[in-house]
Order: sequence, then C-alpha cells, then structure tokens
Amino acid sequence: KQEVTQIPAALSVPEGENLVLNCSFTDSAIYNLQWFRQDPGKGLTSLLLIQSSQREQTSGRLNASLDKSSGRSTLYIAASQPGDSATYLCVVEGGKLIFGQGTELSVKP
Amino acid sequence: DAGVTQSPTHLIKTRGQQVTLRCSPKSGHDTVSWYQQALGQGPQFIFQYYEEEERQRGNFPDRFSGHQFPNYSSELNVNALLLGDSALYLCASSWDRGYNEQFFGPGTRLTVL
Repeated sequence: KQEVTQIPAALSVPEGENLVLNCSFTDSAIYNLQWFRQDPGKGLTSLLLIQSSQREQTSGRLNASLDKSSGRSTLYIAASQPGDSATYLCVVEGGKLIFGQGTELSVKP
Repeated sequence: DAGVTQSPTHLIKTRGQQVTLRCSPKSGHDTVSWYQQALGQGPQFIFQYYEEEERQRGNFPDRFSGHQFPNYSSELNVNALLLGDSALYLCASSWDRGYNEQFFGPGTRLTVL
C-alpha cells in the first residue's frame, strides 16, 4: 500500500530565504509525482509534474526532484516571498493519486 | 478554457439527506477523479471515472456513488449523509486515466448538520 509522507508538517521562514520541502513514498512503482499548492479553503493548483522517467522539473523559482529508487522527492523554492505562503502537497500517481498530508509554509515579510 | 469547474460552491445538508455534486472537466480531458478533503487533512481518493465507467475506487462506502456522462462531466452522489461527510470535495480531470497532469477544480464545501 502506497504511503506518502511530507516533512516538515509546518515551516515558517523569513522572506528571501531558500527552502526545501521533502516528500517520501513507500512504493517506487509510480507513473508520476506532482507537487500542488493549496491556499486555505481553496482547490489545488498544480506546480510541477515529474514523470517517473524524469529526475527533475523546474518552473521559475521552483525546482522539484525525483529519486524513485529511494522513494524521495524534494521541492526547492528559491528566494521565498510572502505570496508563497500556502500548503504544499506532494502527490504520487500509481493508478490513483495518493496525497501526502502537506507542508504548511508561512513566509514572513 | 474555463478549466475544471464544480458546482455548487457551498452546500448545507442535514444528516440522512442525499447530495449530488457536479464537475465539468477541463477541455480535452476524459478522466474525472473525486477526492474528499477533511479539515486539516490531505485529500483522500474516492473514485475515478473513465469512459463512463468507475475504474478505481478508494476506501469509501457504497453510500458514495458516481456517474460520468458522454461529455465527460461527472456527478458524485452521497446518500444517507453523516456528520463525518462534512468536507471539501474536489474534482480533478486529466486525460488517459490520470497518467498525465491532474487539474483540480475549486471544490464544493459540504456541511452536514
């Protein structure tokens, strides 16, 4: 049974700091891994999708990596801004989406 | 392209009632998945529809049922509502059974009193 764990559960950083969010999964038989952002009470916004054959994806200040063999992914956010404050969800697709519990990020001005 | 749309935005029901939630997928998508997100939790997979059939199902009772129409839109039905069914219900669409990027709607907030 696939389990997805995100560490830390919450993170507070000052504006401008670079940060890393971690995601681990127990079953390496995945089709892809996706990082989402969720603002309070809202739906999910897709940030990055990494196919199982890929090692990383980049979009602007975001970089996500995938190491299937070790069951890990990281989301790197460069030069964080207050607008980055949200919950970040790691999701693996192996026939159905399995979500982590999320990391709640707060970026202080 | 309007993206994934869901209706209604909010809904209040009482225990024992039945509810129907609706989802229209992003243009070009043929697969719709439904998720339940309780407060403070990550979304939990309910089921997925592809070619008008339920292809995958999570650990939800039979009170949760769905349907996909020929235009790929979908409905989620919940019977005999319980207080614990209060949650944000999210719909996601993709093409080719979810092997590709998932796009989520804004969700329907269901409150059961």
